[in-house]
Amino acid sequence: KQEVTQIPAALSVPEGENLVLNCSFTDSAIYNLQWFRQDPGKGLTSLLLIQSSQREQTSGRLNASLDKSSGRSTLYIAASQPGDSATYLCAVKGATNKLIFGTGTLLAVQP
Amino acid sequence: DVKVTQSSRYLVKRTGEKVFLECVQDMDHENMFWYRQDPGLGLRLIYFSYDVKMKEKGDIPEGYSVSREKKERFSLILESASTNQTSMYLCASSFGSGYEQYFGPGTRLTVT
Repeated sequence: KQEVTQIPAALSVPEGENLVLNCSFTDSAIYNLQWFRQDPGKGLTSLLLIQSSQREQTSGRLNASLDKSSGRSTLYIAASQPGDSATYLCAVKGATNKLIFGTGTLLAVQP
Repeated sequence: DVKVTQSSRYLVKRTGEKVFLECVQDMDHENMFWYRQDPGLGLRLIYFSYDVKMKEKGDIPEGYSVSREKKERFSLILESASTNQTSMYLCASSFGSGYEQYFGPGTRLTVT
């Protein structure tokens, strides 16, 4: 059974720092991996989708990498801003149509 | 831009009531999903649909049913609401298997 873990559970950084969020999964037979952000009390916003054949995806200040063989993905945020404060979730998709979500990392960027 | 809308942001219902949560997407997506999100448990899939009138159970379907009569609309039905169904309910859609899932704003349901 696929399990997805995100470490750390919470992170606080000063504005301007570069940071890395981690996501690990137990079954490497994934179809793709998706990163989301969630603001308090709101829905999820899709940030990046990495297909299993890809190594990384970039969007603006965000870069996500995927290493299927080791069961890991990272989300790199460059030059963090207070507006980046949110919960970040990763989710993997296997052979079924289901996404398996991680537990999330709560990020606080201090001005 | 994909837009997924949900009928209510906040809803308060009494135990035993029948509850309908509506979700509409405007991008002609094949797949639609209902999740619930609870502190400490994360997001869990209730039901999904890959075509009109087609549905499949997710991980926690007990106490719920769904309806998809039109491609753009996916309804979640709580046949007889109970207090343990108090939760945040999130709807999502995707073009097909392997594509990004796009989420609605969520409905915070409280059952008293």
